[in-house]
Amino acid sequence: EPEVTQTPSHQVTQMGQEVILRCVPISNHLYFYWYRQILGQKVEFLVSFYNNEISEKSEIFDDQFSVERPDGSNFTLKIRSTKLEDSAMYFCASSDSLMNTEAFFGQGTRLTVV
Amino acid sequence: GDSVTQMEGPVTLSEEAFLTINCTYTATGYPSLFWYVQYPGEGLQLLLKATKADDKGSNKGFEATYRKETTSFHLEKGSVQVSDSAVYFCALSDGSNYQLIWGAGTKLIIKP
Repeated sequence: EPEVTQTPSHQVTQMGQEVILRCVPISNHLYFYWYRQILGQKVEFLVSFYNNEISEKSEIFDDQFSVERPDGSNFTLKIRSTKLEDSAMYFCASSDSLMNTEAFFGQGTRLTVV
Repeated sequence: GDSVTQMEGPVTLSEEAFLTINCTYTATGYPSLFWYVQYPGEGLQLLLKATKADDKGSNKGFEATYRKETTSFHLEKGSVQVSDSAVYFCALSDGSNYQLIWGAGTKLIIKP
């Protein structure tokens, strides 16, 4: 069964450092998303990506965040200068159409900023 | 704006008990509704979905019916098992944008 793969599973970084979270979406999917879940809180939408550009982003997704699809398979989330409050589980998801159909989620990357 | 409200947890039940986790929503248009499950230490998995009114989604013994008149999508299971212990999230997509709107999640604890 096809799946979304995220690496690393856990990343610890110092405040102010840049981090890149990596995702390999399902190969025939066209829509890609990042969500995050701060421990004990709601899952929050960050950004969606289609046709090599951002389709929509939330207020959380400020200038410190960027996304990229550097090749035909990877989809990355970069945080330029991490803050303590960026500590969360980050989920990548992909779908073959807009979200009326199933979105497949990766296992998540737990980011800990110290 | 669109929103999803779930019953607060944790919900603690004995094995073989009947489960209901309430979910109500507000949305413009005709959203699709989803239940996702997060087992301890794992990611988000789609449990079931319904895309129009009166649809019933079902999977692994879980069911939920899309009720437009009550704007609800309650999750039910007739006989829960210890392995069902997880956090359950109700979510919606109105299809006009690219994001899922999530409920707060309900932690379910099943005791043997």
